[in-house]
Amino acid sequence: EIVMTQSPATLSVSPGERVTLSCRPSQSVGNKLAWYQQKPGQAPRLLIYGASTRATAFPARFSGSGSGTEFTLTISSLQSEDFALYYCQQYDSWPRTFGQGTKVEI
Amino acid sequence: EVLLVESGGGSAQPGGSLRLSCAASGFPFSSYWMSWVRQAPGKGLEWVASINQEGSEEYYVDSVKGRFTISRDNAKNSLHLQMNSLRTEDTALYYCASGGFYPGSWGQGTLVTVSS
Repeated sequence: EIVMTQSPATLSVSPGERVTLSCRPSQSVGNKLAWYQQKPGQAPRLLIYGASTRATAFPARFSGSGSGTEFTLTISSLQSEDFALYYCQQYDSWPRTFGQGTKVEI
Repeated sequence: EVLLVESGGGSAQPGGSLRLSCAASGFPFSSYWMSWVRQAPGKGLEWVASINQEGSEEYYVDSVKGRFTISRDNAKNSLHLQMNSLRTEDTALYYCASGGFYPGSWGQGTLVTVSS
């Protein structure tokens, strides 16, 4: 199974800051990488797929990049509604696996 | 609007069984892979199982293989997860999700608690 490692575990930031989250699979997943946003008490929401394709519900300040074993989720200017947990997930092989999550907090 | 509504959660003793269901609407259910993903209290997401459109392919995380069975009824737009030989570590909120690659829509989850 592919182990997904996210860093940092927690990111303390202020509104307006640029945020970069990292996700590193234990082996190459090509571009088969998705990101999800989860807020307290809510189900996860698909944010990015194909490593860099943004889901339509999310604004352009969210962007994804990377391939192989190094991926990044960037929020260009953090808004109050972006404070949440972010998970990466690989879908290159079974079983699908998630990272442990990065909490973006004030 | 895509709607996924889970049901069937509750309390069970170790070794017991539960059957989760997910009612789907708002999209062509029979054209989509479907998955179950769980989240233990205060923990991260864990993919549990996926099934293809026809129900001919199933994949499971190792920890549930031989105990859980995913199935679907395309005529009723429903997804199921039969959970047998439950363990305390199966305690989680179980989400139904559309897609077997990067689930695009999720239900609100049904809580399963396994305790003696």
